[in-house]
Amino acid sequence: DSGVTQTPKHLITATGQRVTLRCSPRSGDLSVYWYQQSLDQGLQFLIQYYNGEERAKGNILERFSAQQFPDLHSELNLSSLELGDSALYFCASSALLAGAYNEQFFGPGTRLTVL
Amino acid sequence: EDQVTQSPEALRLQEGESSSLNCSYTVSGLRGLFWYRQDPGKGPEFLFTLYSAGEEKEKERLKATLTKKESFLHITAPKPEDSATYLCAVVSTGGTSYGKLTFGQGTILTVHP
Repeated sequence: DSGVTQTPKHLITATGQRVTLRCSPRSGDLSVYWYQQSLDQGLQFLIQYYNGEERAKGNILERFSAQQFPDLHSELNLSSLELGDSALYFCASSALLAGAYNEQFFGPGTRLTVL
Repeated sequence: EDQVTQSPEALRLQEGESSSLNCSYTVSGLRGLFWYRQDPGKGPEFLFTLYSAGEEKEKERLKATLTKKESFLHITAPKPEDSATYLCAVVSTGGTSYGKLTFGQGTILTVHP
């Protein structure tokens, strides 16, 4: 158990819908990261928040957005869903913004299926 | 752009048969190289972090090493429970990437009893 929690574990929805994925980081960690894992793309970085502020952005679609709240939990919002958005979404947390030994610890993931 | 290439894509071993996994990387500047283990349908589990060429880390049957262009994950006398996908990732010093991990595609390891 990494100490990172994610809800829900599974999510099945239809094209065009909007969903929210939730993540609680390890106690004391200030950075939260979101990653998408699909069979053809592997693990892809989406976005990083540090202490409530967006700090790095990857290939995140405009239909996707995220935020980190004062209690440090984070939410990833996916809208206008398409079949290709079906994937595993992981949240990770680390203590720092950056650094050589700033290990990231991953949650169990949310499996999103868009029908 | 940071790139990570892992080989082989899949590796089948007999229990007790030692081997190595390779991770080649291209980055503007290496802040850290990370190894993770991932079981099917689960989140990646942190194994090691390496920072400088020549550095080595060990954990049970696993040993990770780092050179200026690649890293190896050596598996000594593997057991069936070592079967998993092993992921390599880098964090670079370039631009505003901060803590962003760039992952390789992984090596699927299967250890037969």
